[in-house]
Amino acid sequence: GAGVSQSPSNKVTEKGKDVELRCDPISGHTALYWYRQSLGQGLEFLIYFQGNSAPDKSGLPSDRFSAERTGGSVSTLTIQRTQQEDSAVYLCASSYGTGAHEQYFGPGTRLTVT
Amino acid sequence: GESVGLHLPTLSVQEGDNSIINCAYSNSASDYFIWYKQESGKGPQFIIDIRSNMDKRQGQRVTVLLNKTVKHLSLQIAATQPGDSAVYFCAENPDTGRRALTFGSGTRLQVQP
Repeated sequence: GAGVSQSPSNKVTEKGKDVELRCDPISGHTALYWYRQSLGQGLEFLIYFQGNSAPDKSGLPSDRFSAERTGGSVSTLTIQRTQQEDSAVYLCASSYGTGAHEQYFGPGTRLTVT
Repeated sequence: GESVGLHLPTLSVQEGDNSIINCAYSNSASDYFIWYKQESGKGPQFIIDIRSNMDKRQGQRVTVLLNKTVKHLSLQIAATQPGDSAVYFCAENPDTGRRALTFGSGTRLQVQP
């Protein structure tokens, strides 16, 4: 079956602009995660959605970052007033039920802020 | 795609040899420890996990060892192949209520033909 998909694969934006990154999780997966990966670094947790529960936003680095998940499926990560330090690969993952340790990742969106 | 982890520690092995990748974790309360493989330009891929009440688990060509006394996790790859070349991350599930993973910084495995 189809895996996790993300769009766009690459995004170049000017400092100060807003960007939206999209994630389509695997059908039937109730949990969805956003991570950020900077060059030479591991993955940094951003936000987690589980079913209809309130999302865990504890990893969002500032109030410029927000995310939503519509209908328990597609998710959008929005970064407002982008800064150069926001440049990274943004990865989305999904998992089924409580199997949080086996997460399925998308290919990521590479964001470059100039 | 661009490589991630250009400044990561690197393990270089000959094709056919066994590889051992090590990881130190921080949270004694984590209930799962996991290994992910990330190839260039791709998202991480689940390899194997181990629950905190175990000390060894085997998969296909891979074995994970957990030493809770010294908070150490290792991934052993038998008969390493060129397709095993990638960056390997250990991860832990530190908070059973949150379900998000905490990832280590990664090790690059290079398999020489």
